[in-house]
Amino acid sequence: SYELTQPPSVSVSPGQTARITCSGDALPKQYAYWYQQKPGQAPVLVIYKDSERPSGIPERFSGSSSGTTVTLTISGVQAEDEADYYCQSADSSGTSVVFGGGTKLTVL
Amino acid sequence: QVQLQESGPGLVKPSETLSLTCTVSGGSVSSGSYYWSWIRQPPGKGLEWIGYIYYSGSTNYNPSLKSRVTISVDTSKNQFSLKLSSVTAADTAVYYCARVIVVAAPFFDYWGQGTLVTVSS
Repeated sequence: SYELTQPPSVSVSPGQTARITCSGDALPKQYAYWYQQKPGQAPVLVIYKDSERPSGIPERFSGSSSGTTVTLTISGVQAEDEADYYCQSADSSGTSVVFGGGTKLTVL
Repeated sequence: QVQLQESGPGLVKPSETLSLTCTVSGGSVSSGSYYWSWIRQPPGKGLEWIGYIYYSGSTNYNPSLKSRVTISVDTSKNQFSLKLSSVTAADTAVYYCARVIVVAAPFFDYWGQGTLVTVSS
């Protein structure tokens, strides 16, 4: 079955830039999406269609794509950004949804 | 503002069928622009897509769960439902319902708060 691969954890100091990667063979063909999940809460969409930001999401969140890897970048990280982040896409047919394993972002 | 709310038993016995309902407010499950989905998250683990449904009844399921999953929609009640049969402890999870936008790869723009279902005798 198709998989998306994320690093288990990323750590940054406040004000620095955090980059979380997600790799998958079908990513050149399918859009990627990113969700932020804080403890005890439902996930929240922070990036759609690789690099679009939903209304209400701070400008410090951005997304990019290059080949089989997509990246979520958080510029000027704040303490409130500490959370789990999940990438999501679909298989090459576009019918089967898949999530990455998640990355825990720690703000030191 | 669309809101989704999951409801159903919080405890299910092994080998029985898990049943949950998602009630949608602020929007209509009959809207042709969206699909409606179930996603789950075992305690301390990642997200797993279960499947989604269109108002017409057309469905798409995760191949790994397909043999045990049924998702249905009740447009008169503005609800959609999940049934997962022959459950085991591995099905213990927080179950979320979500609205789906299908544009190439489907994605989820609104989520319910989630409901914990424990499988135990």
